[in-house]
Amino acid sequence: DSGVTQTPKHLITATGQRVTLRCSPRSGDLSVYWYQQSLDQGLQFLIQYYNGEERAKGNILERFSAQQFPDLHSELNLSSLELGDSALYFCASSVAGTGKIGNTIYFGEGSWLTVV
Amino acid sequence: GESVGLHLPTLSVQEGDNSIINCAYSNSASDYFIWYKQESGKGPQFIIDIRSNMDKRQGQRVTVLLNKTVKHLSLQIAATQPGDSAVYFCAETAYNAGNMLTFGGGTRLMVKP
Repeated sequence: DSGVTQTPKHLITATGQRVTLRCSPRSGDLSVYWYQQSLDQGLQFLIQYYNGEERAKGNILERFSAQQFPDLHSELNLSSLELGDSALYFCASSVAGTGKIGNTIYFGEGSWLTVV
Repeated sequence: GESVGLHLPTLSVQEGDNSIINCAYSNSASDYFIWYKQESGKGPQFIIDIRSNMDKRQGQRVTVLLNKTVKHLSLQIAATQPGDSAVYFCAETAYNAGNMLTFGGGTRLMVKP
């Protein structure tokens, strides 16, 4: 158990709908990251927050947004869903925002999103 | 864009043998590398990391080797066990990229009993 908690574990929704994925980072971690894993794209970085502020942005669509709340949990909002958005969405967390030995990035178990 | 890639998509080894999983990276500015293990239906699990000022780092049954000259990373697993069967990803990042990890495509390790 990495200590990163994601809900829901599985979600099936229709095209055009909007969903919210929730993440609770490990205790003490200030950074939260969102990744998308699909069969044809592998693990793709979406966005990072550090202590409530957006720190880095990757290949995140404009239909997607995220935020990190004062209690450090984070939500990823996916709107106007398309079939191609079906994927496994991972949240990860780390203590700090820079890569260095000891600042390990731990992943949650993921949220399976199926758009039908 | 620059990316991290793997030479072998599938590696099959006999239980008890040593495994070597390779990874090539293209961003010369990368200075931090991580190996993750992902079992079916689970999230990536941290195995070991290494900074660019090191060329070798050892953990429990695992060793990561970094060759910056040829931009190559490898993960060695000693005495491979059935529980090691999983997909292994290398990931890299650069200090100026914050902690934005770029992942390779993954190598599936299959351990034969």
